Amino acid sequence: EPEVTQTPSHQVTQMGQEVILRCVPISNHLYFYWYRQILGQKVEFLVSFYNNEISEKSEIFDDQFSVERPDGSNFTLKIRSTKLEDSAMYFCASSEAQGAQPQHFGDGTRLSIL
Amino acid sequence: GQQVMQIPQYQHVQEGEDFTTYCNSSTTLSNIQWYKQRPGGHPVFLIQLVKSGEVKKQKRLTFQFGEAKKNSSLHITATQTTDVGTYFCAGRRSGAGSYQLTFGKGTKLSVIP
Repeated sequence: EPEVTQTPSHQVTQMGQEVILRCVPISNHLYFYWYRQILGQKVEFLVSFYNNEISEKSEIFDDQFSVERPDGSNFTLKIRSTKLEDSAMYFCASSEAQGAQPQHFGDGTRLSIL
Repeated sequence: GQQVMQIPQYQHVQEGEDFTTYCNSSTTLSNIQWYKQRPGGHPVFLIQLVKSGEVKKQKRLTFQFGEAKKNSSLHITATQTTDVGTYFCAGRRSGAGSYQLTFGKGTKLSVIP
């Protein structure tokens, strides 16, 4: 069964540094998402992406964050000038369409800011 | 903004007992999805409910969507140790032009063998 793959599985970064989290969505999916899950808490929506542009974003997704689809397969989340509170599990997800469609999640990247 | 509340936060059951988690939204939903997250894992899609009053079953799991499309429940009959994990509901607000999924805080299920 096709999967969403994410790299790296764990990223440790000094506060203030930039990080890029990478995702390869399922190949025939058109909608891509990033979510954040702080340890022991709920999954929080960050952003959705379609047709090479952001379709929706949450209040969490401020100017510190950006997303990009640099080629036909990768979907990245960049966090500039990381803060301690950015430490969390970041999940990428994809779906065939929006609306009533299941989202398929990757295994996540655990981001630790020191 | 839209809020999705889920109770209980934790549930410990003996293997073979039933389990139910409840989800309530502050706004009417266009649809609701349920996900399961095993410890250390990622959310895995279980099911989606779209129609008012809809009931769907997957083996020992029964999912319901309320008549007002503001609440939902997941019931597991005769729990097994493989049911361990956190169950999240995730709702999409109706009529807002938004496709954003809002997750509940989840119910963490522990099954005692």
